[in-house]
Amino acid sequence: AQSVTQLGSHVSVSEGALVLLRCNYSSSVPPYLFWYVQYPNQGLQLLLKYTTGATLVKGINGFEAEFKKSETSFHLTKPSAHMSDAAEYFCAVSGGNQGGKLIFGQGTELSVKP
Amino acid sequence: EPEVTQTPSHQVTQMGQEVILRCVPISNHLYFYWYRQILGQKVEFLVSFYNNEISEKSEIFDDQFSVERPDGSNFTLKIRSTKLEDSAMYFCASRVTEYNSPLHFGNGTRLTVT
Repeated sequence: AQSVTQLGSHVSVSEGALVLLRCNYSSSVPPYLFWYVQYPNQGLQLLLKYTTGATLVKGINGFEAEFKKSETSFHLTKPSAHMSDAAEYFCAVSGGNQGGKLIFGQGTELSVKP
Repeated sequence: EPEVTQTPSHQVTQMGQEVILRCVPISNHLYFYWYRQILGQKVEFLVSFYNNEISEKSEIFDDQFSVERPDGSNFTLKIRSTKLEDSAMYFCASRVTEYNSPLHFGNGTRLTVT
């Protein structure tokens, strides 16, 4: 079975500071990994995904994530936080015999201070 | 850009009543999903649907739940006799045929059971 753990349910950074949201996964097969963002009262929007190939993937809004198989991690980063980045971020995994469904982590709420 | 649409955005119902949540997936997508998110908790998989039948369901998706694709565009989730603990945000999602393609989510229906 696959699972996702997001370290830190709340992360607070200052505007302009580095954003680092942590995600570790468990999978017995090569995983497909995703980061989604959820703004208040909205659905989940895809930020980026890793399937195969380059392990550093770039997404929308200046975010990127690196797949590290040896560490079973897929941490999300952004060099400089913006106030508009304040939202809930979800890491998710799929693949193998999971039938294509996504398994989500518990989410990390990002706050950005002026 | 095509998107998944869900109606209504908010549904209030009394315990024991039946509710139907509606979704229009993206037109060329073939795999459909329902997820739910209880306030403050993670996004949980309910059911996946392909080729007019359920391909997988979670433990949450008991006999009170059913899904249907009554025509070529709508995808519905029915809860036969709602319970207080069914109060949650329900998200519909769809994807194209590729196994590693991301899920596209609707904005959700907030279900409140009183």
